[in-house]
Amino acid sequence: SQTIHQWPATLVQPVGSPLSLECTVEGTSNPNLYWYRQAAGRGLQLLFYSVGIGQISSEVPQNLSASRPQDRQFILSSKKLLLSDSGFYLCAWTRGGSQYFGPGTRLTVL
Amino acid sequence: KQEVTQIPAALSVPEGENLVLNCSFTDSAIYNLQWFRQDPGKGLTSLLLIQSSQREQTSGRLNASLDKSSGRSTLYIAASQPGDSATYLCAVRDGGATNKLIFGTGTLLAVQP
Repeated sequence: SQTIHQWPATLVQPVGSPLSLECTVEGTSNPNLYWYRQAAGRGLQLLFYSVGIGQISSEVPQNLSASRPQDRQFILSSKKLLLSDSGFYLCAWTRGGSQYFGPGTRLTVL
Repeated sequence: KQEVTQIPAALSVPEGENLVLNCSFTDSAIYNLQWFRQDPGKGLTSLLLIQSSQREQTSGRLNASLDKSSGRSTLYIAASQPGDSATYLCAVRDGGATNKLIFGTGTLLAVQP
């Protein structure tokens, strides 16, 4: 069966510090992968998606970047965090037309 | 640009009631529509997927309908239980190959015992 992992589960970082969130998928190959952010009181916003290794599309201008160094690994990064980067970050992949989500990472920037 | 709206934003019902959650979208050229459930602080759990050619899908006490021409979907929950309390999100997939989803802001459901 397919499984999606995210870590860390929670993270508290100071403004200006770097960020690295990791997402890995098991049990499938060449999945489409997605990073979403859910800010307090707002809906889910698609940040990045990837259809293959090294292929990244950005949906909105922002302080974040994404990379896909391996087929089943998707990384979300920042060089310098802003307060507005706080939120709940979700990784997802697709199968059979449906999207399946990981457990999420709660990021608080202080 | 596709926009997805969910009404109501919050709903509180007594246990045992049947209820309907609404989702509307502005562009009818969708590939499919998916309903999710999100418990506090957790990821999303997929509930039902309706393809654009389908009218409804059922899973247990849940029934989702789709009227693509009018840009509407409903999620019907029968005989609600306290364990149904969560935020319910609908999302539409655009017609491209990237499977991008556009989400509504959700309905927060509280089922009172």
